[in-house]
Amino acid sequence: QVQLVQSGAEVKKPGASVKVSCKTSGYTFTRNAMHWVRQAPGQRLEWMGWINTVNGNTQYTQKFQGRITITRDTSASTAYMEVSSLRSEDTSVYYCARETAGSTMIGVFDYWGQGTLVTVSS
Amino acid sequence: EIVLTQSPATLSLSPGDRATLSCGASQSVSFYLAWYQQKPGQAPRLLIYDASNRATGIPARFSGSGSGTDFTLTISSLEPEDFAIYYCQQRGNWPYTFGQGTKLEIK
Repeated sequence: QVQLVQSGAEVKKPGASVKVSCKTSGYTFTRNAMHWVRQAPGQRLEWMGWINTVNGNTQYTQKFQGRITITRDTSASTAYMEVSSLRSEDTSVYYCARETAGSTMIGVFDYWGQGTLVTVSS
Repeated sequence: EIVLTQSPATLSLSPGDRATLSCGASQSVSFYLAWYQQKPGQAPRLLIYDASNRATGIPARFSGSGSGTDFTLTISSLEPEDFAIYYCQQRGNWPYTFGQGTKLEIK
């Protein structure tokens, strides 16, 4: 069965960086793009960016441009998202979300990781 | 960026009732709208994509409708496990955006 297993909770100080991993199993990693979505406490879900798992191309929302980096390791079937220059407003649960395969299903997320809580506090 | 507004914020119903949740878009997203269910401490679960298509394994009591700027998620007869938060999400325009959610609670 398809599984996306994320790394554990992190506590970081303002200005630091954090890297969250998303290890996949149960399917061919390069068949599906991977997206990252975050949810601050009590807030709506917020889409951050995505990676083409075949060629590594990425796209980020303007809000996060320059501050996040999404990468992948195809040999490990794992995607990563790094956020730099953390501030308190970045305290959120971060999710990886698999895009459904198929050219007509861009932006549809059929499987999600369990979420990683990142707390930014001095 | 397209803003999605969901109503009501909270819906209080009983098991067996019919639930109707709404999602409005600030501009047309064609039919590119999905619905997700989220329970406390869990990741979102895809229910409906492209306005009216049920995702794999989703019960027939869940249905979606709409196009353009107005969309509806209907749960025909609520089961105890349906009480959760529901989010709509558009993929018609980049960046993808989500609504603020409707909390479906037991009356």
